[in-house]
Amino acid sequence: DIQMTQSPSSMSVSLGDTVTITCRASQDVGIYVNWFQQKPGKSPRRLIYRVTNLADGVPSRFSGSRSGSDYSLTISSLESEDVADYHCLQYDEYPRTFGGGTKLELK
Amino acid sequence: EVQLVESGGGVVQPGRSLKVSCAASGFTFSDYTMAWVRQAPKKGLEWVATLSYDGSRIYYRDSVRGRFTISRDNGKSTLYLQMDSLRSEDTATYYCAGVTGGFDYWGQGVMVTVSS
Repeated sequence: DIQMTQSPSSMSVSLGDTVTITCRASQDVGIYVNWFQQKPGKSPRRLIYRVTNLADGVPSRFSGSRSGSDYSLTISSLESEDVADYHCLQYDEYPRTFGGGTKLELK
Repeated sequence: EVQLVESGGGVVQPGRSLKVSCAASGFTFSDYTMAWVRQAPKKGLEWVATLSYDGSRIYYRDSVRGRFTISRDNGKSTLYLQMDSLRSEDTATYYCAGVTGGFDYWGQGVMVTVSS
């Protein structure tokens, strides 16, 4: 199975920060990586698809990138509504695998 | 507006069965590959199973293969997950998700608790 090692698992942040979360894939997954945001008690919301593409309605402060086997989600100028859990997903191979998640908390 | 509405969750004893459903609207369900994803309490997301738009391709994670069955009724725009021989480790919120667009649609989730 492909492992998506997500870091950090949690992060203490301040409003206005630039935040970067990374998933390292254990095998090549090409462009098939998505990022999701999940707020408490809610279902996941897709933010980024195929590494770099912004989903409909997602603010432009969110962006995705790739460097080798590292896939990153960056939030520029963090707003209060961005405090949430974030998950990466590879859907290149079965079984589909998610990263372990990153919890953003306000300082 | 796209809607995925899960139902059928509850508390069930280990070894028993449960069937959850996901009613879809607002998109062409019969064109969409669908999946179930679960999340144990305070844990991360875990893919469970995927079923192609026409039912011809099915994929399961190893831990549920042989116990869970994913199916669909395109005439009713509904996705199902039949869960047999349930174990305590199957306790989770189960989400249905539209996959064709890259897991772009998600339901609100249904809680399944396996406990004696």
